Amino acid sequence: EADIYQTPRYLVIGTGKKITLECSQTMGHDKMYWYQQDPGMELHLIHYSYGVNSTEKGDLSSESTVSRIRTEHFPLTLESARPSHTSQYLCASSEPGRRSYNEQFFGPGTRLTVL
Amino acid sequence: SQKIEQNSEALNIQEGKTATLTCNYTNYSPAYLQWYRQDPGRGPVFLLLIRENEKEKRKERLKVTFDTTLKQSLFHITASQPADSATYLCASEGGSYIPTFGRGTSLIVHP
Repeated sequence: EADIYQTPRYLVIGTGKKITLECSQTMGHDKMYWYQQDPGMELHLIHYSYGVNSTEKGDLSSESTVSRIRTEHFPLTLESARPSHTSQYLCASSEPGRRSYNEQFFGPGTRLTVL
Repeated sequence: SQKIEQNSEALNIQEGKTATLTCNYTNYSPAYLQWYRQDPGRGPVFLLLIRENEKEKRKERLKVTFDTTLKQSLFHITASQPADSATYLCASEGGSYIPTFGRGTSLIVHP
């Protein structure tokens, strides 16, 4: 079992609310990622980080923001949630360096529903 | 950029048979391909990695092949069991050393 945690597991909120999805890992991995996945669809990378104070946008345009103040913590924030944000959000981490071949360890995901 | 294609139709097989799933990549030959298992409502779990200079890799009942001529990887589960039922994702090396994932193929093993 991977040591990467996400909270909450399920969240139902109203339009316009600000939310933060939490992600923590205890493996000391430098790289962390946020993916969005709709049922039966591929994972879309929305943000990633190479380490503390590093954040990058992924392939999928997103209205969310991330921060990386500590190695183990990579929260994702939506300033104003909309129904189009309804999806599964998956956090992942991987070991640094080319030798690891970027095997990704995923959290259990947060299922977000915006009404 | 790299694109990963997997059969979107579910694969239905009988228990005990060998399941074979296909992953095709469209552009450059990646340094590696990865296979993950994903159960409903859960995050993917890493299974196997095969490097570009390896033709075949095995782990227990799992076998992965990598054919750079066909731009394809095959994922085999021998002696399949109902507990193997899940969605299997293929991922390749993408830009900035971040994997690019396919949509996955659902495998259903009938008792």
